[in-house]
Amino acid sequence: AQKVTQAQTEISVVEKEDVTLDCVYETRDTTYYLFWYKQPPSGELVFLIRRNSFDEQNEISGRYSWNFQKSTSSFNFTITASQVVDSAVYFCALSEAIRGSTLGRLYFGRGTQLTVWP
Amino acid sequence: EAQVTQNPRYLITVTGKKLTVTCSQNMNHEYMSWYRQDPGLGLRQIYYSMNVEVTDKGDVPEGYKVSRKEKRNFPLILESPSPNQTSLYFCASSLGGGLYNSPLHFGNGTRLTVT
Repeated sequence: AQKVTQAQTEISVVEKEDVTLDCVYETRDTTYYLFWYKQPPSGELVFLIRRNSFDEQNEISGRYSWNFQKSTSSFNFTITASQVVDSAVYFCALSEAIRGSTLGRLYFGRGTQLTVWP
Repeated sequence: EAQVTQNPRYLITVTGKKLTVTCSQNMNHEYMSWYRQDPGLGLRQIYYSMNVEVTDKGDVPEGYKVSRKEKRNFPLILESPSPNQTSLYFCASSLGGGLYNSPLHFGNGTRLTVT
């Protein structure tokens, strides 16, 4: 079973629309970390945010916001007023912090390809 | 400039010919890791290293070797490459203590084709 599920393989929106990328994770640990990374067409991987399991406060950074809900094991990412430059593959990832055999492991979802049309 | 440097960026080789993809970071990071990216599968961890001389398997270690003889370098070795190892490879590093509080810094990737 996948530890991180990004059910949306591809999303297309028109510029200025809001869009939410879903991420559902699975872990038995009480201490873990969640991440979002962006991979633009140029191919590099860019860190966007990390969140630890004890901090459920939502975060906003400009047009980006993240909604972390432990009750539903979700860490969704919303882009407000999307722009063409937001077109990229977005990956959600989970790190389980304190388990001997998985120490240092990082699990990525399969990614969501977001295309923003002008 | 703080960075993770992978070489080469592109590599085409034939089945069975040993190859090494180098990875070097200049941030004094303790943690380093290798991933492969395949269409529809996302990024999958191959190996990781918590510190010098400490390495562990990730999700897909078969067919790969790594070594961590010094902090800055973490080469990925394919002793006998096969076509199913054709992929885009990323090296990454982060601060000490694993991933707990620090994001990964990724290299620019190595696109490997095995014919």
